Amino acid sequence: AQSVTQPDIHITVSEGASLELRCNYSYGATPYLFWYVQSPGQGLQLLLKYFSGDTLVQGIKGFEAEFKRSQSSFNLRKPSVHWSDAAEYFCAVSGSWGKLQFGAGTQVVVTP
Amino acid sequence: DTAVSQTPKYLVTQMGNDKSIKCEQNLGHDTMYWYKQDSKKFLKIMFSYNNKELIINETVPNRFSPKSPDKAHLNLHINSLELGDSAVYFCASSLRTTSGANVLTFGAGSRLTVL
Repeated sequence: AQSVTQPDIHITVSEGASLELRCNYSYGATPYLFWYVQSPGQGLQLLLKYFSGDTLVQGIKGFEAEFKRSQSSFNLRKPSVHWSDAAEYFCAVSGSWGKLQFGAGTQVVVTP
Repeated sequence: DTAVSQTPKYLVTQMGNDKSIKCEQNLGHDTMYWYKQDSKKFLKIMFSYNNKELIINETVPNRFSPKSPDKAHLNLHINSLELGDSAVYFCASSLRTTSGANVLTFGAGSRLTVL
């Protein structure tokens, strides 16, 4: 069965500093991987996705993620965090029929 | 124009009542979903419809009944509400693939509070 682990429940980062959020997945076949962001009181917005090809994926808002099959990881990065990046971040893997299995989420707090 | 819209955004009700949440998408997608987000922010799929046909039905109490009158609408009706039903319910839509390479667009969520 597919599963997603986000080891960090909570991360605090200073504005302007770099950010990396970890995601590990378990899936038998080629995974389809996603990162979504949920701002307070809002719905989920797609940041980026990996289906195949180049393992470094660029997304919106300056985010990128790298797929590493050997480590079963799909970590999200941003070189310089803005205060507006404070949110909950979810990694997800998709099974058949688009059934998304989400990780537990990582809450990002940005300090001045 | 909102791509996936849900109503109501907030719903406060008493235990034992029956309530509905409505969802509409204007993206031309053919597949729609209901996800539940609990108090710990954990997201879990409940149902999915493709062209009005139920294709995913997770282990959800029978008190929850989805209905899709057409491929642009997916409603969720909940009977005999319980305290544990308090959550945020998200509607989403996508174009169909059987491979799993679906890209879901989510609505803003409907926060249900059962007192």
